[in-house]
Amino acid sequence: DAGVTQSPTHLIKTRGQQVTLRCSPISGHKSVSWYQQVLGQGPQFIFQYYEKEERGRGNFPDRFSARQFPNYSSELNVNALLLGDSALYLCASSLSSGAQNTGELFFGEGSRLTVL
Amino acid sequence: AQTVTQSQPEMSVQEAETVTLSCTYDTSENNYYLFWYKQPPSRQMILVIRQEAYKQQNATENRFSVNFQKAAKSFSLKISDSQLGDTAMYFCAFMKGNNFNKFYFGSGTKLNVKP
Repeated sequence: DAGVTQSPTHLIKTRGQQVTLRCSPISGHKSVSWYQQVLGQGPQFIFQYYEKEERGRGNFPDRFSARQFPNYSSELNVNALLLGDSALYLCASSLSSGAQNTGELFFGEGSRLTVL
Repeated sequence: AQTVTQSQPEMSVQEAETVTLSCTYDTSENNYYLFWYKQPPSRQMILVIRQEAYKQQNATENRFSVNFQKAAKSFSLKISDSQLGDTAMYFCAFMKGNNFNKFYFGSGTKLNVKP
């Protein structure tokens, strides 16, 4: 079975540009979360979507946005890129949300964004 | 707000020996989960072990076990019979019981298993 897939794996952008990162969850998983992992730090929560609705948002500026599609795949968009946006962006999926959720996340390998 | 602290940036252990990674957390919640995730070099993060806060018994998964001290807000990971494949970054993480996969991660401990 395919795991969580993310694209692109690596990309380089310049300040002020916009980027779109894509994520396909494990088949049957309806919840997708996005995390930012700056070098040398732990992942920081950006967004969580479940059944195409935003269920959580971390402390990130409005330049960050996301959406989830009917097939449960997701996109993360970042506008007006800053040098500090350079990081590994991780997508994670899980089977469910709410009371059934015991929390195991299945992570993709990430999209490494470098902003010059 | 929840915070997770891992005070050991890097640790080394000889193959076949035992090592303990430390984690402390701060929360006012009563219903939560704690996790250890492993991130091998250039590979995706995978779950090592999970602990429900309402369970007093410490979780174990083969060579991995935790020492969960709820009052002290401490959640350490013990790896027994360390193997070369255990070399990785280890992240301690916290999730509120009703907060839909919003994890709070520590800064990680880099574990090097030496032959």
